[in-house]
Amino acid sequence: GAVVSQHPSWVICKSGTSVKIECRSLDFQATTMFWYRQFPKQSLMLMATSNEGSKATYEQGVEKDKFLINHASLTLSTLTVTSAHPEDSSFYICSAREPGQLEAFFGQGTRLTVV
Amino acid sequence: GQQLNQSPQSMFIQEGEDVSMNCTSSSIFNTWLWYKQEPGEGPVLLIALYKAGELTSNGRLTAQFGITRKDSFLNISASIPSDVGIYFCAGHRVLEYIFGTGTRLKVLA
Repeated sequence: GAVVSQHPSWVICKSGTSVKIECRSLDFQATTMFWYRQFPKQSLMLMATSNEGSKATYEQGVEKDKFLINHASLTLSTLTVTSAHPEDSSFYICSAREPGQLEAFFGQGTRLTVV
Repeated sequence: GQQLNQSPQSMFIQEGEDVSMNCTSSSIFNTWLWYKQEPGEGPVLLIALYKAGELTSNGRLTAQFGITRKDSFLNISASIPSDVGIYFCAGHRVLEYIFGTGTRLKVLA
């Protein structure tokens, strides 16, 4: 299957700072990428859909100014958690889909801890 | 956000036993996907189903796309310790993927 790489795998940051998470499709071009948040022992909750060259579509209840998404190229989408607070600590996962294909492939996830 | 109903929520089984889990929805999906997630990792795609009634196997895994397009099930035969993890179903329509609540599987050697 297609390979999606997420970086970093984990990050610890101080409250009030911003953190950027990268999601790359390594062997295909992805016009659409998805960002999820996962709390312990829970399922994946879609935060936003990232479209190359246009603004991301955010799910209801997700603050777009808090979670900045940039999909500047066909192989890279970034999620920036701005002014992070301890309640932003979570597991963030991206996924990407090849144009014309139905399967979504996931990155390995980023464990964010805000102290 | 919306989630699909997945059952059972968790399972403890003996090595060698077969496992069955299912996913149900109140609405129709065009594609069903099954993923496995291990601790600290992203989900890995196991099986994709594209049309109603389809039965697809991947090694010891077998999944079916329900005829009503509102459900799917996943079977694992002859379970082994490395089958441990959380299994998620996902329904897809247009650009939307909706995930199930997950089935946590533990295999006792």
